[in-house]
Formats: sequence, C-alpha cells, structure tokens
Amino acid sequence: LAKTTQPISMDSYEGQEVNITCSHNNIATNDYITWYQQFPSQGPRFIIQGYKTKVTNEVASLFIPADRKSSTLSLPRVSLSDTAVYYCLVEGYSTLTFGKGTMLLVSP
Amino acid sequence: EAGVAQSPRYKIIEKRQSVAFWCNPISGHATLYWYQQILGQGPKLLIQFQNNGVVDDSQLPKDRFSAERLKGVDSTLKIQPAKLEDSAVYLCASSSSLDTIYEQYFGPGTRLTVT
Repeated sequence: LAKTTQPISMDSYEGQEVNITCSHNNIATNDYITWYQQFPSQGPRFIIQGYKTKVTNEVASLFIPADRKSSTLSLPRVSLSDTAVYYCLVEGYSTLTFGKGTMLLVSP
Repeated sequence: EAGVAQSPRYKIIEKRQSVAFWCNPISGHATLYWYQQILGQGPKLLIQFQNNGVVDDSQLPKDRFSAERLKGVDSTLKIQPAKLEDSAVYLCASSSSLDTIYEQYFGPGTRLTVT
C-alpha cells in the first residue's frame, strides 16, 4: 500500500495562503492524488484531485512535481472556516490510503 | 441531490456484543466504501464494493467483520463479536464509475463506542 506522510498540524492567519505538502514516495504509475477536508463529526469532503503537474479549481490548487513523490495543496486566502483536518489520499487500481491528516488552524 | 445516508449515528455496546451499521449511497453510484476512522487518524478502508461485488476487502478483519451489498444499492456492515479496539467512527462513502474524477461522497458516519 502506498504510504503518505503529512505534517501533523499547521497554523495560519486569515487572508494568508496555506500550502500543505504530502509525501508519497512509493506512488504507483496509475495512482491519483486526492485531497479531502474534514470537519469534526462530519465525513471527509472532496477538495481536489490530480495526476501530475498542476490542477486548479474554485477552492484550491494542487501541485504535483514530475516524479510524483509528493504533492502540495494550496489554499489561497484562508478564512476561519477553513479550520479543519486535511487528508492526502493516494488511490489507484490496487491502493486507497489516507494519510493521518494535517490539522489546519486559522486564526483571526 | 440526497447525500449518503447512514444509521444509526451513534451506538454504544458492550464488548462481545454484535452491532450492524446501514448505509444508503447516492442514487446511481455503483461504488460503495466502508471505512473505519479511529480518533486522531485518517480513514482506513475496510471494504470496497463495485455494484454487489467486492473489489477490495484486504483490510477487513474477516474473523469478526462482515459486509454485504446484496442488491447493489444499500449496504450493511456487521461486527460480531465487538472488541474494545473497534471503538471508532464507521464511514460509508460512494462514488460514480461514470465520473472522470474519482470523487468519494461521504456520509456523516456512525460513532461506535465499545465498553
């Protein structure tokens, strides 16, 4: 199974850009990288997914280098409501592994 | 669009008792997942169904856990007998095989406490 490693926690202030990096050294050729957000007492919610290079949607960007051994979730101009746990997920034909998550705390 | 439904939301049982959880996925979603999330950890996949067939159950403790999705729609996850270490949130998720993005839609989860 592909193993993922993320920072346990990060702190930020409202309006700042936050970058969370996930390491997945043994990612397979067919695996995708997906990021989820989870609030207390709720199930995870999809943020963004990518295979390589850069993907951007209305809430985040995902940067994946050429070797695909890591990925960075970028949240532009965070607000207090972005305080949550963020999970990196490597998924493919034979693997589906969530990381331990990064607790992001956004302060005023 | 209705989301993934799970019941019950909370359950407290004693060790060695049995318990069952129910999940109704989003209509039309062929893939259904059961996860176990222990406090402070990421979700761990227990079993993945594609319609009513099992795709992956490699991390399901088969001596005590079982799951079924008989008609390819809703699903039940059972634990018998429960152990203290089974205390966790059990999450159900579903996804559509027709989407180009592999997005999983999660239910609210069932919080199980084994005493």
